[in-house]
Amino acid sequence: DAGVIQSPRHEVTEMGQEVTLRCKPISGHDYLFWYRQTMMRGLELLIYFNNNVPIDDSGMPEDRFSAKMPNASFSTLKIQPSEPRDSAVYFCASSYRDRGGYTFGSGTRLTVV
Amino acid sequence: AQSVTQPDIHITVSEGASLELRCNYSYGATPYLFWYVQSPGQGLQLLLKYFSGDTLVQGIKGFEAEFKRSQSSFNLRKPSVHWSDAAEYFCAVGARGKLIFGQGTELSVKP
Repeated sequence: DAGVIQSPRHEVTEMGQEVTLRCKPISGHDYLFWYRQTMMRGLELLIYFNNNVPIDDSGMPEDRFSAKMPNASFSTLKIQPSEPRDSAVYFCASSYRDRGGYTFGSGTRLTVV
Repeated sequence: AQSVTQPDIHITVSEGASLELRCNYSYGATPYLFWYVQSPGQGLQLLLKYFSGDTLVQGIKGFEAEFKRSQSSFNLRKPSVHWSDAAEYFCAVGARGKLIFGQGTELSVKP
């Protein structure tokens, strides 16, 4: 298995632009998670899905952030409009059932200038 | 609320020395506990996990961790550190399907 695949690896965008991050989970995994990592706040859970349904989005910072999972093999995290404080590394992870042992992707490093 | 505390932000050990990274958790039920490692510019890799049973769990790369319910701890250990172990280490607790991470401990290894 190729693992959790995220794209792009790096994204530089201007403030106010829309940014879309993509994630392909491991086939057969039924949980998908989006995390954000910054020096100041560490690893924060933004949202997670179970069987493509959003379960907990309480970590989504504000309405500028949205996430979708249209099918079991694809998810997006969108920021519109982007702001410099959104600069961070965004990780996607997937797991089978809820017992953890999550597999993380390599992350997308987002820089908003 | 669930939480994880890693008291040590940064630790430096000499190559070949033993290592212990501390982790304390707060969770009302029986916890699922994890240790992950992150090398610079990389994602997180699972080192080991505890769900139930034997409180001493073995992981990859020669790491082990011990669950102590009375102390709410899940400390990570390695008997002899290698230079390639330099990285950031995260302890996490699984709570109703999601992982709550500690702030991480950065490990430096002296030659």
